[in-house]
Amino acid sequence: DVKVTQSSRYLVKRTGEKVFLECVQDMDHENMFWYRQDPGLGLRLIYFSYDVKMKEKGDIPEGYSVSREKKERFSLILESASTNQTSMYLCASRRVDTGELFFGEGSRLTVL
Amino acid sequence: QKEVEQNSGPLSVPEGAIASLNCTYSDRGSQSFFWYRQYSGKSPELIMFIYSNGDKEDGRFTAQLNKASQYVSLLIRDSQPSDSATYLCAPHASGGSYIPTFGRGTSLIVHP
Repeated sequence: DVKVTQSSRYLVKRTGEKVFLECVQDMDHENMFWYRQDPGLGLRLIYFSYDVKMKEKGDIPEGYSVSREKKERFSLILESASTNQTSMYLCASRRVDTGELFFGEGSRLTVL
Repeated sequence: QKEVEQNSGPLSVPEGAIASLNCTYSDRGSQSFFWYRQYSGKSPELIMFIYSNGDKEDGRFTAQLNKASQYVSLLIRDSQPSDSATYLCAPHASGGSYIPTFGRGTSLIVHP
């Protein structure tokens, strides 16, 4: 069974803290994505990666960075968390031949 | 900028009725479409995929695509309370470099 695993389901952090959100997929997919989802705003793309060591900015990259050192792992980093980064974060990997996205269970981050 | 428009709803239908969910898109390069279902507190999961004009049926679900009108819809026959969820439309084009974009989703409520 294919799987995308996000390291933390729920996190509570304080303003200014550095936050790491980890995502691992076991499908050998090249493409991986980080979205945030907020009520009324839908899924918004933060960063994506076509392959190892590659990263591209999405629609809302400000305040975030990413790391893709291994094919199976795509990490989202909040260098200095702010309250407006309180959100649900979803990681996804994509099967290139069909385009289907496989999502992790999500990480709900609260920044106080 | 690719645009995907969906009515956010909520769309409320009685159990057993047909639910009709609609999506319009602006990118004429979009070749196929995914419909994802997202239960409250869960991550999206793929339920339908359509790549050619016309209808595609899978059980109680029918996807309809009209590329000339840039319109795709999802019909759910004999709606059940378990169909209550948010439905996300996502256009797709072949090639690993296509950036997945989602509509904001339509919230469907099926009441007994």
